[in-house]
Amino acid sequence: GQNIDQPTEMTATEGAIVQINCTYQTSGFNGLFWYQQHAGEAPTFLSYNVLDGLEEKGRFSSFLSRSKGYSYLLLKELQMKDSASYLCAVTRNNRLAFGKGNQVVVIP
Amino acid sequence: DVKVTQSSRYLVKRTGEKVFLECVQDMDHENMFWYRQDPGLGLRLIYFSYDVKMKEKGDIPEGYSVSREKKERFSLILESASTNQTSMYLCASSLQTANQPQHFGDGTRLSIL
Repeated sequence: GQNIDQPTEMTATEGAIVQINCTYQTSGFNGLFWYQQHAGEAPTFLSYNVLDGLEEKGRFSSFLSRSKGYSYLLLKELQMKDSASYLCAVTRNNRLAFGKGNQVVVIP
Repeated sequence: DVKVTQSSRYLVKRTGEKVFLECVQDMDHENMFWYRQDPGLGLRLIYFSYDVKMKEKGDIPEGYSVSREKKERFSLILESASTNQTSMYLCASSLQTANQPQHFGDGTRLSIL
């Protein structure tokens, strides 16, 4: 089975950097996705990690350590529009198992 | 851009009714998924399908069934709706190639009275 753990909520200031952590325990791990979900909207794809290391995509970066069952999403130069829930999801046999999500609130 | 369209944004039904939620994708994706999302529980997989007429149970299939008669359409059926099925329902699709992202519809907020 899967066990995916994310902290529930954090508040950060506009322009700051925030790190969202995700730990997981799963058999048959294939990779890890990060999604962003604004209130009342569909989740949208942010990043995907299959190998250990850091993947950078503009203001967002995602890191994976397979041996530690750990990933983080780094959001730089926070903007008000980054206020959203951030979901990590691990893949196994074409299925995704989602964490409960981390709500990020950006304040001026 | 991938477009996943769910037939209703909001739906109100009564206990015991048979409810159909429809989902259509326009990118020829092989995989389609139905999730429900509840506060504090996150996204949970109900059913998924890898191909036409093929279906597999997810983590919480009880009380639900699905139909995939055409590649682009995946229907979720609540055989006899109950109040504990009040939830946000999200449909998603993806290519079958390993490790492709899932693309989500806007969701259907279903209330069972």
